[in-house]
Amino acid sequence: EDQVTQSPEALRLQEGESSSLNCSYTVSGLRGLFWYRQDPGKGPEFLFTLYSAGEEKEKERLKATLTKKESFLHITAPKPEDSATYLCAVQAYFGNEKLTFGTGTRLTIIP
Amino acid sequence: DAGITQSPRHKVTETGTPVTLRCHQTENHRYMYWYRQDPGHGLRLIHYSYGVKDTDKGEVSDGYSVSRSKTEDFLLTLESATSSQTSVYFCAIDGTGYNEQFFGPGTRLTVL
Repeated sequence: EDQVTQSPEALRLQEGESSSLNCSYTVSGLRGLFWYRQDPGKGPEFLFTLYSAGEEKEKERLKATLTKKESFLHITAPKPEDSATYLCAVQAYFGNEKLTFGTGTRLTIIP
Repeated sequence: DAGITQSPRHKVTETGTPVTLRCHQTENHRYMYWYRQDPGHGLRLIHYSYGVKDTDKGEVSDGYSVSRSKTEDFLLTLESATSSQTSVYFCAIDGTGYNEQFFGPGTRLTVL
């Protein structure tokens, strides 16, 4: 059974204080790992897809990296508007097109 | 904006009543999904569709049924709502089934 574990559950940072969010996964053949951002009362917003170990993708202050067992979402010099819940999901090669999601990390950036 | 709308956005109903949620897309994507999101569980797949009249079950499909008679619409029905189905329901779309999914704004359902 595919599993995704995100840590920490919640993280409070001062504005400008860089940090990383972790997504550990077990999957029977990784097709893709996805990062989403979710604001309160809204649907998840797609950020990145990573396909193979060693791959990195960047968007503004966010950088996602992937190893064979985990992914990190690095946040550099965050701003208050980066406050949100960040979700990680995996899709396996074998089986249907299902995404397995973690429970997310709730990030708060304090001005 | 991924061109997805959900209706209603909020609904309060009573145990035992039927409820239908609608997802509408303007992107002509083949794949459509229904998820529920609950504290401590993350997003869980209920049902999905890979074409008109082609649907399959997800991991939490008991108590739910779906229909897709047109590419743009995917309906989720709770035949007899229970309090355990109180949740936020999200629809998602995907062009190929193997790419990123784009989510709608959600429907908050409360079953009393």
